[in-house]
Amino acid sequence: DGGITQSPKYLFRKEGQNVTLSCEQNLNHDAMYWYRQDPGQGLRLIYYSQIVNDFQKGDIAEGYSVSREKKESFPLTVTSAQKNPTAFYLCASSTIVGSGGEKLFFGSGTQLSVL
Amino acid sequence: AQSVTQLGSHVSVSEGALVLLRCNYSSSVPPYLFWYVQYPNQGLQLLLKYTTGATLVKGINGFEAEFKKSETSFHLTKPSAHMSDAAEYFCAVRINTDKLIFGTGTRLQVFP
Repeated sequence: DGGITQSPKYLFRKEGQNVTLSCEQNLNHDAMYWYRQDPGQGLRLIYYSQIVNDFQKGDIAEGYSVSREKKESFPLTVTSAQKNPTAFYLCASSTIVGSGGEKLFFGSGTQLSVL
Repeated sequence: AQSVTQLGSHVSVSEGALVLLRCNYSSSVPPYLFWYVQYPNQGLQLLLKYTTGATLVKGINGFEAEFKKSETSFHLTKPSAHMSDAAEYFCAVRINTDKLIFGTGTRLQVFP
């Protein structure tokens, strides 16, 4: 079955530690996205990528980094510079942004908590 | 700047009652509009979308939404709520081909 796989489902970060969230898709989608979800705030875009080896900052990129070395993979690193990392992180993908009507396919999310 | 507003962070209805979830957007050009649903501890799934053409859009699970340009609204409705409809619902807007902007979500509770 085609889809998006996020791992791990739960992740704990110690003070000063960098952690990496995995996102893999086998939908052959060009575009991939990372969103952060906090209660009552909806989804906020962290980073997105429309092509391999290229990515753009979203609305809340500070304290995060990404890479896009392969089409199917878009890992997100939460660095120690992110002072409030506790949130539910969602990865999504879509066909390349063209007409604007493309739908996003979402993974099942990673809950990150601080120890 | 484009934005989307969902009125009411929580909506409660009885099983069998009408569901109405409100969404308003701001845009000076025709937007693309979406409704997504999220069940607990899961990602989001597309319910329906409006791009062009017919303003009444039908989606999955009996939901529909109407694009009203004069009111800048895209409210989501379902004639008869089911227990399985309990979830969080997000309205989203994309203007031109820029990124998708999500509303803050509305949690729907359905009582027996």
